[in-house]
Amino acid sequence: GAGVSQTPSNKVTEKGKYVELRCDPISGHTALYWYRQSLGQGPEFLIYFQGTGAADDSGLPNDRFFAVRPEGSVSTLKIQRTERGDSAVYLCASSLGGPDTQYFGPGTRLTVL
Amino acid sequence: DQQVKQNSPSLSVQEGRISILNCDYTNSMFDYFLWYKKYPAEGPTFLISISSIKDKNEDGRFTVFLNKSAKHLSLHIVPSQPGDSAVYFCAASVLNTPLVFGKGTRLSVIA
Repeated sequence: GAGVSQTPSNKVTEKGKYVELRCDPISGHTALYWYRQSLGQGPEFLIYFQGTGAADDSGLPNDRFFAVRPEGSVSTLKIQRTERGDSAVYLCASSLGGPDTQYFGPGTRLTVL
Repeated sequence: DQQVKQNSPSLSVQEGRISILNCDYTNSMFDYFLWYKKYPAEGPTFLISISSIKDKNEDGRFTVFLNKSAKHLSLHIVPSQPGDSAVYFCAASVLNTPLVFGKGTRLSVIA
């Protein structure tokens, strides 16, 4: 079946602009995760949804970052007033929930100029 | 403070030999461990996992060993193939909390 998909695959924006990154999880997966991967690092957790609600948003670096999952499927990560330090690959993963394997999408490479 | 550490940034192995990738962790509450493989411009791909109640899990050429007393995890690939060349990430979690990843080890399998 179809895996996790993310759009766009690449996004270049200017400092101060607003961006939205989209994630389509595997059908039937109730848990959805956002991670950020900077160069030379492993993925770092941002936020986790169980269904429509954010079960854990402790990884969001500041209030410029926000994510939604209004119908318990597709999720959007929103970044306001982007900064050059936001440049990274943003990864989305989904799972059936619980201590289950997370399956990752290909990521969105965000570049803030 | 890094809770999951992969101290070798890179590893080079000859085709057909064994590759051993290591991972150490500091949080004794971790109860689920996974290995992911990542090719350039792709997301991490799940390889193999192990729960803390086991000390070994095998899947084809891949075996993961867990030593809880040493807080150490290793991935063995045998025999290694050129297509195994990628970055390997160790990850851990407590119950169903989000994964904590190491920084990765780049494996190069030389033909």
